[in-house]
Amino acid sequence: KAGVTQTPRYLIKTRGQQVTLSCSPISGHRSVSWYQQTPGQGLQFLFEYFSETQRNKGNFPGRFSGRQFSNSRSEMNVSTLELGDSALYLCASSLVRQGRSYEQYFGPGTRLTVT
Amino acid sequence: QQQVKQSPQSLIVQKGGISIINCAYENTAFDYFPWYQQFPGKGPALLIAIRPDVSEKKEGRFTISFNKSAKQFSLHIMDSQPGDSATYFCAASNLGSQGNLIFGKGTKLSVKP
Repeated sequence: KAGVTQTPRYLIKTRGQQVTLSCSPISGHRSVSWYQQTPGQGLQFLFEYFSETQRNKGNFPGRFSGRQFSNSRSEMNVSTLELGDSALYLCASSLVRQGRSYEQYFGPGTRLTVT
Repeated sequence: QQQVKQSPQSLIVQKGGISIINCAYENTAFDYFPWYQQFPGKGPALLIAIRPDVSEKKEGRFTISFNKSAKQFSLHIMDSQPGDSATYFCAASNLGSQGNLIFGKGTKLSVKP
């Protein structure tokens, strides 16, 4: 089975721009979670989608948004980029059992650099 | 209450030795505790996970020990190898957190040949 794929792998953007990152989950996985990883803050949860619905959201400003499509693929968008948004953005997919996701499998991430 | 505290930050072990990484949590609602391994330039890879109804789980050279009363859990890597050199993260989640894993800050393990 193919793993979680994320595109693009690397991005360089300028402050004030916006960016869209894409994630394709493992086949059959309907839950997709997004995380931001930085050296200072570690891994922080952004949001989770299941069946095209956002079920949970972390403590990030509204500039961070996402969506999920009917094929479970997900995108996240960051508008009005700030220098502090430079990070590795990770997507993880999981099966859902009895309404809950357990084992999360991560993609390789998208390295975003904001200049 | 949402924190997971991980120690040590870094660890150097000789080849063949035992690597031990510890995590502590406060939220008693946590009921799923996975460990992840991350190599530079890669995403975290799920190693092993435990639920609080068991005190130990072993998979190959990796063992999780869980102490519910102390709200602590640890990862033991037996017969550590240079290929185990990576950053290890503990995490926790609970019913209702819907896809939200709370991660520790990570432990950078270096196994010397």
